[in-house]
Amino acid sequence: EAGVTQFPSHSVIEKGQTVTLRCDPISGHDNLYWYRRVMGKEIKFLLHFVKESKQDESGMPNNRFLAERTGGTYSTLKVQPAELEDSGVYFCASAKYTGELFFGEGSRLTVL
Amino acid sequence: EDQVTQSPEALRLQEGESSSLNCSYTVSGLRGLFWYRQDPGKGPEFLFTLYSAGEEKEKERLKATLTKKESFLHITAPKPEDSATYLCAVQEPGGTSYGKLTFGQGTILTVHP
Repeated sequence: EAGVTQFPSHSVIEKGQTVTLRCDPISGHDNLYWYRRVMGKEIKFLLHFVKESKQDESGMPNNRFLAERTGGTYSTLKVQPAELEDSGVYFCASAKYTGELFFGEGSRLTVL
Repeated sequence: EDQVTQSPEALRLQEGESSSLNCSYTVSGLRGLFWYRQDPGKGPEFLFTLYSAGEEKEKERLKATLTKKESFLHITAPKPEDSATYLCAVQEPGGTSYGKLTFGQGTILTVHP
């Protein structure tokens, strides 16, 4: 069974540019989560999808971040325009029912 | 706001030297406490879920325990392949986002041969 896949693994952009991160969850997992770890800090929750609906987006930092989940399958997280403080590792995780999350390897974002 | 504090920040052990990692939390109405392992460049990998004080779970050389204020991850006779960052996380009470977790900063474990 394929795990959670994320793309790209690393992205380097300049301040003010746009970046889109993609996550493909495990097949059959209706729950999809985005988390972020910035340098020196703990992993923090961003938002939660159930199928294509946003269940909880309380962790989204500001309106420069836009998450979508087309047809309840893969999800994208767009940062526009990117700022220096957006640098970090963005993790996607999926789950069938419970809080036992299966994480992807993360997308490292570097904003220069 | 829920807080999760892990100690120590880093731990170096010799192969075979048993020890424990600590995770203390402040949350009212704990729904679940999770332990994850994270290798460099990888995402967190699920180890255990604990739901109530007194509960224990084991997997190979690892045993997780839970009290009302903290959890311990005991490592018995560790091997170099146990080297990783161990993360503790609590599940936020209430709501329907079961996977909305509050993480600690992690303990970096290094086991020397």
